[in-house]
Amino acid sequence: EDQVTQSPEALRLQEGESSSLNCSYTVSGLRGLFWYRQDPGKGPEFLFTLYSAGEEKEKERLKATLTKKESFLHITAPKPEDSATYLCAVQAWQGGGADGLTFGKGTHLIIQP
Amino acid sequence: EPEVTQTPSHQVTQMGQEVILRCVPISNHLYFYWYRQILGQKVEFLVSFYNNEISEKSEIFDDQFSVERPDGSNFTLKIRSTKLEDSAMYFCASSEAGGANNQPQHFGDGTRLSIL
Repeated sequence: EDQVTQSPEALRLQEGESSSLNCSYTVSGLRGLFWYRQDPGKGPEFLFTLYSAGEEKEKERLKATLTKKESFLHITAPKPEDSATYLCAVQAWQGGGADGLTFGKGTHLIIQP
Repeated sequence: EPEVTQTPSHQVTQMGQEVILRCVPISNHLYFYWYRQILGQKVEFLVSFYNNEISEKSEIFDDQFSVERPDGSNFTLKIRSTKLEDSAMYFCASSEAGGANNQPQHFGDGTRLSIL
């Protein structure tokens, strides 16, 4: 069974204070690892896809990295508008073309001005 | 930017009744999904749909649930004989392609289903 564990569950940072969110996963065969941002009352908003160990993706203040067992979402000099729940999800090779995602519980990030 | 649209945003239903949740996926997407998120819990996969048939379903997606693409734009989730534990946020998602291309799934803002 595919599993995704995210840590910490919650993180409070001062504006400008950089940090990293962790996503540990076990999956039979990784098709892709996805990072999403979720604001209260909204659906997950796609951020990144990572396919293989060693891959990195960047977008503004966010950088995602991937190893064979975990992924990190690094946030550099965050701003209050970066406050959200960050979700990690994995997609395994199931043989079909439309495979569901297995999500972690997320990290609730609060950036204080 | 194209987006996935879900209606209604909030549905209140008596236990035992049937509900239909509606979604309009992004227009050029071919793969469609339903997920649910019980309050305070993680997002859970229910079902995926491609080429007018179910591609994959989870253990949650039992005979109580069904999906349909009744026309070229809508994608629906029907829940029969609703139970209190069906109360959750239901998200629709779509992707441009599956398979080896592995395009990301884009989510709507959900329908909050409340069973009384």
